[in-house]
Amino acid sequence: EVHLVESGGGLVQPGGSLRLSCAASGFSFSAYWMAWVRQAPGKGLVWVSRIGRDGSRTDYADSVKGRFTVSRDNAKNTFYLQMNSLRAEDTAVYYCGRDFWGSIDYWGQGTLVTVSS
Amino acid sequence: DIVMTQTPLSLSVTPGQPASISCKSSQSLLHSDGRTYLYWHLQKPGQSPQLLIYEVSNRFSGVPDRFSGSGSGTDFTLKISRVEAEDAGVYFCMQSIQLPPTFGGGTKVEIK
Repeated sequence: EVHLVESGGGLVQPGGSLRLSCAASGFSFSAYWMAWVRQAPGKGLVWVSRIGRDGSRTDYADSVKGRFTVSRDNAKNTFYLQMNSLRAEDTAVYYCGRDFWGSIDYWGQGTLVTVSS
Repeated sequence: DIVMTQTPLSLSVTPGQPASISCKSSQSLLHSDGRTYLYWHLQKPGQSPQLLIYEVSNRFSGVPDRFSGSGSGTDFTLKISRVEAEDAGVYFCMQSIQLPPTFGGGTKVEIK
């Protein structure tokens, strides 16, 4: 069974940093692209980033480009989202997901990031 | 970015009755590889989203056959033949033909 578990969310001040992790199990992790999607409180879904199988290819939404970095460790079946220069508008539940032709076929349970002073 | 527009914003359905949600994209989602990159996700209350339909009309693993998807190009529809209580939640369409992938604003389905 595919299982994705995010961690690392929390409260951070504007301008601060946070690293999210997503631990995967139940499938051959290194064979899949992986992605991050976020959802601000009471709002819709917004795609954030994705990473290729070996980590050599990454893509970002314009709103996070230059501030967020996605990476992965296939030996640990885990991928990450390093978030720097955080802004109030980055406040959201962050979901990790297994990429499926650019969409998501399996989603994690989400981790809440709150950017506030 | 491709804009995905869903209608209606919400609907209230009696169990056993059908429901239909429309999704329109600002550009065609038909790729030169022959695939149409349109997906439907459902977010039940308090839960993370789950994939229902991929490439317009293919039900994902475990999705009941009362869910069906149709459409082509820029116009798509999700239909529930007979709504059940467990179908309550917000339905999102999504495109992935072009980066960044984008979602519709969501349609909230309430069960009467």
